[in-house]
Amino acid sequence: AQRVTQPEKLLSVFKGAPVELKCNYSYSGSPELFWYVQYSRQRLQLLLRHISRESIKGFTADLNKGETSFHLKKPFAQEEDSAMYYCALRGYSGGGADGLTFGKGTHLIIQP
Amino acid sequence: NAGVTQTPKFRVLKTGQSMTLLCAQDMNHEYMYWYRQDPGMGLRLIHYSVGEGTTAKGEVPDGYNVSRLKKQNFLLGLESAAPSQTSVYFCASSYSSRYYEQYFGPGTRLTVT
Repeated sequence: AQRVTQPEKLLSVFKGAPVELKCNYSYSGSPELFWYVQYSRQRLQLLLRHISRESIKGFTADLNKGETSFHLKKPFAQEEDSAMYYCALRGYSGGGADGLTFGKGTHLIIQP
Repeated sequence: NAGVTQTPKFRVLKTGQSMTLLCAQDMNHEYMYWYRQDPGMGLRLIHYSVGEGTTAKGEVPDGYNVSRLKKQNFLLGLESAAPSQTSVYFCASSYSSRYYEQYFGPGTRLTVT
């Protein structure tokens, strides 16, 4: 069965410090991984996906198949980054439209 | 564009009562999903649909039924509510399998007493 693990429930860093939110996955096939973010009083929204290899709001994430990880990183944290972050895995079972398997989330707090 | 909307926003049910949650999207998306989120947990997939008239089970389908009679609507039904179904329910939609970004609704907070 596929699984996503986010080991940190809460991560608190100071403004300007580097941030790394960890995500490990378990999946036998070729995974498709995402980071979703939920800011206070807003909806869950896509932050980035591994196939895009893009940087959004200064965040990047690299898929490491050897370590089965997809950690989210930002070199200099900003106060507006405070939010809940969810790592999610899409697993194909032939139908092509399976939903996402989410981790439990990490609450990121950026202190001034 | 309202995006994904959910009705109602809050609901309290007694054990054994039934109700239907409505999800609507105005983005012409083919795929729609229902998730539940319990405290300290990630979202878990209940059911999903790849198009009008089709539905499929997700990770935690027991106690729920769904219908997709119209492309823009995805209904989640609880026939006989149980306290274990107390949760926040999220609906999401995506354009296709290839363009897979899921757009989420605001959630429905359901309490079963």
